[in-house]
Amino acid sequence: EAGVTQSPTHLIKTRGQQATLRCSPISGHTSVYWYQQALGLGLQFLLWYDEGEERNRGNFPPRFSGRQFPNYSSELNVNALELEDSALYLCASSGADLVKEETQYFGPGTRLLVL
Amino acid sequence: AQKITQTQPGMFVQEKEAVTLDCTYDTSDQSYGLFWYKQPSSGEMIFLIYQGSYDEQNATEGRYSLNFQKARKSANLVISASQLGDSAMYFCAMRERNAGNMLTFGGGTRLMVKP
Repeated sequence: EAGVTQSPTHLIKTRGQQATLRCSPISGHTSVYWYQQALGLGLQFLLWYDEGEERNRGNFPPRFSGRQFPNYSSELNVNALELEDSALYLCASSGADLVKEETQYFGPGTRLLVL
Repeated sequence: AQKITQTQPGMFVQEKEAVTLDCTYDTSDQSYGLFWYKQPSSGEMIFLIYQGSYDEQNATEGRYSLNFQKARKSANLVISASQLGDSAMYFCAMRERNAGNMLTFGGGTRLMVKP
């Protein structure tokens, strides 16, 4: 069974540009989560999508946005990029798992570098 | 206050020995889940083990076991018979029922296995 996939693996942008990151969940999973792992700041929750709707949002500015498509894949968009947006962006997915409380399974991440 | 605290930034263990990675948590929720993830240098977060707040027995998954002490709010990960491939960052995370499915992560512990 294929795991969570993310693209691109690496992305280089300049300040002020927009970045689009993509994620495909594990087959059968309907929830997609986005996390940011910036140097020195640890892993921080960004967004949760389920059944096409944004369900929860972390403490990030509105220039971080996203969407979930009917096939449950997701996009994370970061507008007006700032240097501090440089980070590893991890996508995770979960499905109904009564035993493991909807364990989140992560993809390999997208490394975003803002110059 | 920190929700998840991992007090060991780095640890060494001899190959084939057991090692315990510490995790304490803080929540007022009665229902929550605790997770451990492994992050190799490649960046992907690999799910290791889960413990639910209502589970009476400690979780085990192969060489991984979770020493869950609810009254002390600790959820330590025990890795038995360490292998060189266990060298990685290890993160403890919590999902609170009333926090909208987000995972809150600790700062991580870097484990280095010596041959």
